[in-house]
This record gives sequence, C-alpha cells and structure tokens, in this order.
Amino acid sequence: AQKVTQAQTEISVVEKEDVTLDCVYETRDTTYYLFWYKQPPSGELVFLIRRNSFDEQNEISGRYSWNFQKSTSSFNFTITASQVVDSAVYFCALILNTGTASKLTFGTGTRLQVTL
Amino acid sequence: DAGVTQSPTHLIKTRGQQVTLRCSPKSGHDTVSWYQQALGQGPQFIFQYYEEEERQRGNFPDRFSGHQYPNYSSELNVNALLLGDSALYLCASSLSLGVVETQYFGPGTRLLVL
Repeated sequence: AQKVTQAQTEISVVEKEDVTLDCVYETRDTTYYLFWYKQPPSGELVFLIRRNSFDEQNEISGRYSWNFQKSTSSFNFTITASQVVDSAVYFCALILNTGTASKLTFGTGTRLQVTL
Repeated sequence: DAGVTQSPTHLIKTRGQQVTLRCSPKSGHDTVSWYQQALGQGPQFIFQYYEEEERQRGNFPDRFSGHQYPNYSSELNVNALLLGDSALYLCASSLSLGVVETQYFGPGTRLLVL
C-alpha cells in the first residue's frame, strides 16, 4: 500500500517570504509518479507538477521549485517570494504505475496563508 | 479548450435520498475518475471509468455507483445517503495512453446531507 504524508497542517507567512511545503511518501514500487496540486477556496484542484520515480532532477518554474529526493522519499515544494495569491491548500499525491487504472493517493494537504 | 465541468455546483439532500452528480471531461480525454473530499481532508478515490466500464474502485460501499457514456461524460450515483456522505465530490479526467497520465480536476460538487 502507498501513503503520502504532509506533516505541516497549516503555514502562515508574510508576503515575499520563501516557504517550503514538505511531502514524504511511502511505496514499495520502483515505478511511481508524484504530483502537486493547488486547491484555492473555490475548490478546484489545479495541477502544478508531476515527476516520475526515475527523474530526480529538480525543477524550477517561475517562483515555484520542487526538490525530489528518492533517498529520503521526499518531494518538497518551495515558493519563493510568496504572494497573497499563493494562499491555498496544497496537496502532494502519488500514483503507482499499475499498467491499468491509476488512482491518486493524496496527502492531507497543507494550508498556506500568505498575508500582507 | 474547455476544462472539466461538473454539475450541479451545490446540492442539499436529506438522509436516505439518492443523488446523481455529473461530469464532462476535458476535451480529448477518455477516462474519468471520481474522488470524495471530506472537510479538511485530502481527496479519496472512489472509482475510475474507461471505455464505459469501471476499471478500478476504491474503498467505498456499493451505494456508490457510476456510469460512463459513449461521449466519455460520467455520472456518480449515491443511494441511501448518510450524513457522512456530505463532502466535495471531485471529478478528474485524463487520457489513457498506456502510461500514467495527469488527471485534471473539475470545480467539484458540494453535497450536504441533512
């Protein structure tokens, strides 16, 4: 069975601060995919990034960056110079490559509050 | 390019009633997955439909059933509603190409059972 843990329930920062959201996953499979989604108050989950287990290269997209480390089973997400619009709940999720159906296993989410 | 759409946006039902939620996938997508998100929790997988058949099911009772139509749209039906069924129901669509594809979500249907 697979599991995703987001230990940080809620984080509050002041605008322009950097913030890192932690994600730790558990799986015995060697092939899997990791995702981050953003959920603003409207409720819709917005896809941010996906990574497969064979690609440990870190990625940067504007103010967002992701650090994937298989050695620690972590896939952390950093927002640089946070903005009020970044306020949302962020979910880390995992899919195993079963070859047929693919279900997302989500963590419990981290609520990020960015204030002026 | 139309994204995933869901209807209705909000719904209030009473215990014991039945409800049907609808989802239209993103253009070009052929697979629909349904998730239940209780307040303060992460989404939980209910089931996935592909080629009009249920391909995988999560740990939900038979009261939860679904359907996929030839145009790839989907319905989620819940019978004999319980108070605990109150949640945000999310639909996600993807394209099955034999590898894991990214799932894109709709805005959800907020169901309140009284």
